[in-house]
Amino acid sequence: DAGVTQSPTHLIKTRGQQVTLRCSPKSGHDTVSWYQQALGQGPQFIFQYYEEEERQRGNFPDRFSGHQFPNYSSELNVNALLLGDSALYLCASSFDPRNTGELFFGEGSRLTVL
Amino acid sequence: QQQVKQSPQSLIVQKGGISIINCAYENTAFDYFPWYQQFPGKGPALLIAIRPDVSEKKEGRFTISFNKSAKQFSLHIMDSQPGDSATYFCAASAHNTDKLIFGTGTRLQVFP
Repeated sequence: DAGVTQSPTHLIKTRGQQVTLRCSPKSGHDTVSWYQQALGQGPQFIFQYYEEEERQRGNFPDRFSGHQFPNYSSELNVNALLLGDSALYLCASSFDPRNTGELFFGEGSRLTVL
Repeated sequence: QQQVKQSPQSLIVQKGGISIINCAYENTAFDYFPWYQQFPGKGPALLIAIRPDVSEKKEGRFTISFNKSAKQFSLHIMDSQPGDSATYFCAASAHNTDKLIFGTGTRLQVFP
């Protein structure tokens, strides 16, 4: 049973560019959440998708957007990249956002903005 | 009010010793308190979690102690092993949501 898979694992972009990160949830999970983890910090909640809609959003600007597909996979898009967007982006999946159950995290996509 | 404060930032323990990490919160709506373990280059993995209806939960060498009145909870790792060396995060979420608020992390090093 595959866990949460993310791609790419590493990528380098320059300021002003746009990036798309991808996530496939654990089998049987229908909810995907995205977190940003800066170096030496705890993960910070970006947003959550359930039934192809954004259900909750953290304190992130509109440059951060996402999408969930009918197969529950998800994308995170970041426009107009800033140096401060350099971080590990984690995808987590769960079953039903109301369950407050276990979140399964992927290994992340490490984004470096130069 | 959404913060979860975690201490210490780093911890060095001898093999076989007890590792203790503490967290405190303000939001009384929080009702789920997990601890995550993260190894370098990996995503966080759930270690153990507790809800406020119990004051303690034990799974193997890992124990969560929860003090609802003080709004504090802690992770105890008994018989610490070098393989436990990792960064540990406490977290909290409110009912009907799995939006986790994470602490800043504790880097644990266990020396043989």
